Amino acid sequence: DQQVKQNSPSLSVQEGRISILNCDYTNSMFDYFLWYKKYPAEGPTFLISISSIKDKNEDGRFTVFLNKSAKHLSLHIVPSQPGDSAVYFCAARGGSEKLVFGKGTKLTVNP
Amino acid sequence: GAVVSQHPSRVICKSGTSVKIECRSLDFQATTMFWYRQFPKQSLMLMATSNEGSKATYEQGVEKDKFLINHASLTLSTLTVTSAHPEDSSFYICSARREGRLLYGYTFGSGTRLTVV
Repeated sequence: DQQVKQNSPSLSVQEGRISILNCDYTNSMFDYFLWYKKYPAEGPTFLISISSIKDKNEDGRFTVFLNKSAKHLSLHIVPSQPGDSAVYFCAARGGSEKLVFGKGTKLTVNP
Repeated sequence: GAVVSQHPSRVICKSGTSVKIECRSLDFQATTMFWYRQFPKQSLMLMATSNEGSKATYEQGVEKDKFLINHASLTLSTLTVTSAHPEDSSFYICSARREGRLLYGYTFGSGTRLTVV
């Protein structure tokens, strides 16, 4: 049973536009949510996170929104740049500090 | 910033042999390290959690006798795939938990591509 779901395997946007990556979860006990960026054959790189007690966190071009009632979070990238092209993973922290990952969304930003 | 070094980046081995993968935290002490496995176009699946000086805790369905984890020091954890078979071919990634750093405390290694022939 997948506790963290990223239902869009891929997303393509134009440079300069907004990229919106979505993530749904089922476990209401998750206390932190994190977004990671990953290139092929490399480890994930931390992007931004949000506590379950907040509904928004912003860091430069990246903003994460959390809707606890809907068990949904999203990552907004504005403006999108070609260098943002990568696979983005949503992760949630559960018990014992373990992270549970979604399957990832491949973002392609076209020049 | 926190850096985790993982070696080798890729390895090809013959079926039946064992392969050791190292994960080092270069500029911090990692009391906890996590080992993940990723299949193509799939999520990172947690295999086990290791704490320095104690036995690793394996996730359900992961064979502890096949995937030996040693966390002998605060900066080094190793994963040994014993008697490897082609179905063990995968991308293995370690993550080190930095004590006291909550939101930024999970630093990942660059991963190891294992191919068993």
